[in-house]
Amino acid sequence: DVQLLESGGVLVRPGGSLRLSCATSGFLFSDYAMYWVRQAPGQGLEWLSALSGGTAGTAYYADSVRGRFTISRDNSKSTLYLHMNNLRDEDTAVYYCAKGLSIVTGTIAHWGQGTLVPVSS
Amino acid sequence: DIQMTQSPSSVSASVGDTVIITCRASQDINKYLAWFQQKPGKAPKSLIHATSSLHNGVPSRFSGSGSGTDFTLTISSLQPEDFAIYYCQQHKSFPLTFGQGTRLDIK
Repeated sequence: DVQLLESGGVLVRPGGSLRLSCATSGFLFSDYAMYWVRQAPGQGLEWLSALSGGTAGTAYYADSVRGRFTISRDNSKSTLYLHMNNLRDEDTAVYYCAKGLSIVTGTIAHWGQGTLVPVSS
Repeated sequence: DIQMTQSPSSVSASVGDTVIITCRASQDINKYLAWFQQKPGKAPKSLIHATSSLHNGVPSRFSGSGSGTDFTLTISSLQPEDFAIYYCQQHKSFPLTFGQGTRLDIK
């Protein structure tokens, strides 16, 4: 079975940094595009970033996080990361890791359970 | 950016009913449309991609149709576990964008 397990969500102050991890199993990690999606409290889903599969991968970002967040992957560890800098109050959300259907970026097939990132002073 | 608009925002229905949720894109997205289901306090679940292709394990009472800018999700013979929030999402181009969601409640 495909499993995605996010971690790293902790209370952080505005302006701070955080790294989220998504440990995966049940599939050949390097062969799939991966995504980060977040959901602010009581709100809808917001796509943040995508990274195509393979050794290098091409990254894509939402305007709301471009220049502050960086997506990366370690294929040897089957793990996806989201490095977040200069965090703002409005970044408070549950952050979901997700797996695509193929090596190229496209649609989302599987979701992790999410990790909460509260940003507050 | 491509804007996705769902209607209705909420709908009430009974077990056994058929419900149709619509999603409109602000520009032509061909058939690059996905649907997701989310229950309270849970992660989303992928239902449909490319307008009408069901993900593995999704019951056949879920179906999708449309092309271009107008799409529908049809849930036939509603089951108790189907009451949730449904989101559409275009996967034609970046940034990927979601609709605002449709809440399906028990009548």
